[in-house]
Amino acid sequence: GAGVSQSPSNKVTEKGKDVELRCDPISGHTALYWYRQSLGQGLEFLIYFQGNSAPDKSGLPSDRFSAERTGGSVSTLTIQRTQQEDSAVYLCASSERPGPNTGELFFGEGSRLTVL
Amino acid sequence: RKEVEQDPGPFNVPEGATVAFNCTYSNSASQSFFWYRQDCRKEPKLLMSVYSSGNEDGRFTAQLNRASQYISLLIRDSKLSDSATYLCVVNGGSGYALNFGKGTSLLVTP
Repeated sequence: GAGVSQSPSNKVTEKGKDVELRCDPISGHTALYWYRQSLGQGLEFLIYFQGNSAPDKSGLPSDRFSAERTGGSVSTLTIQRTQQEDSAVYLCASSERPGPNTGELFFGEGSRLTVL
Repeated sequence: RKEVEQDPGPFNVPEGATVAFNCTYSNSASQSFFWYRQDCRKEPKLLMSVYSSGNEDGRFTAQLNRASQYISLLIRDSKLSDSATYLCVVNGGSGYALNFGKGTSLLVTP
């Protein structure tokens, strides 16, 4: 079956531009997570969705970052007025069992964002 | 203090060796514990969950010490294919985030 799909796989943008990153979770998975991983760093939690609602947005680094999920499926992470420190791999993961005691996370291959 | 701390390594071991990784976590309310594996420039994948009584999956053994807030992973008879970064993962207690350590790098050499 299909895994978690993310697009674009690579995005190069200029500082100050807005970007949208998309995640298609595994069908039927109610829990969806966004993480980011900077070079040589660990995964940094950004936001958690349960269905279409986001009970935990505590990891969003600034108000330039927002995310939504529609139809309990596809999620979009939007970064406005990108900065060079936003450069990272943005990883989406889904899980069959909702949090906080969630089960296995299935990750997409990530969207590599480079801000020039 | 970071939520999840790991020795970054790298651990360089010969094939067939036994190697152990440790991890400490700060939130005593945490209930779920995992080891994930991440190959270079790839996404993380679940290696195994960690249960209170300790658990084994083939050559891999995971243990949890709640009193010390400490998790370990033991790999026996290391294979070249075990070379990867091993991520300790702990849920945040009341929150929804799964907190990842920065990972321990393992290189198994011939």
